[in-house]
Amino acid sequence: GNSVTQMEGPVTLSEEAFLTINCTYTATGYPSLFWYVQYPGEGLQLLLKATKADDKGSNKGFEATYRKETTSFHLEKGSVQVSDSAVYFCALCAWNTGNQFYFGTGTSLTVIP
Amino acid sequence: GAVVSQHPSWVICKSGTSVKIECRSLDFQATTMFWYRQFPKQSLMLMATSNEGSKATYEQGVEKDKFLINHASLTLSTLTVTSAHPEDSSFYICSARELSGSPGLVYEQYFGPGTRLTVT
Repeated sequence: GNSVTQMEGPVTLSEEAFLTINCTYTATGYPSLFWYVQYPGEGLQLLLKATKADDKGSNKGFEATYRKETTSFHLEKGSVQVSDSAVYFCALCAWNTGNQFYFGTGTSLTVIP
Repeated sequence: GAVVSQHPSWVICKSGTSVKIECRSLDFQATTMFWYRQFPKQSLMLMATSNEGSKATYEQGVEKDKFLINHASLTLSTLTVTSAHPEDSSFYICSARELSGSPGLVYEQYFGPGTRLTVT
């Protein structure tokens, strides 16, 4: 079946530190992979996505590369800001399972000045 | 980009009453909408898949008579929590999938901002 495993938080970093949030997946077929961000009290916002192996999704300084050989989609940012404090969800979606989304448990990030 | 709205954003109700939450796709047509529930500091749990003009498909363990879903048009789905109890207090999030696309492609889902339900 399909599933997503995410690095457990919470993660606390100082401003301008390097961020990595690990995400691995299990899927039957060839899923698309997503990172969503949820700010306090708000819904989910798409951060970036990749639809096939070796694709790199990027947005707002965040990057993630679809690694089929390691079934991973780790989120990285070179220099975090206080405004990046949020919960980050890794997710996959595969058309051969009805386009249902499977979410990881979320990783809470707090960036301190 | 595509926008999904939810109304209300926050509702407080008394135990035993029913609450309706609306989910609208504002600038696109959505044949399929999804309803999720999120407990504090946890991930999203898919409750049901709502297809326009047909009955919703509920995930295992979700009471269909308690969580009534109506997808009456290509831009509106509603979730009604009937006879709400304090344990129904949660953050409810809907998402919508665009109508267009070719078979075999993965559709992106657009998420609403969520509705916080507090049952007293």
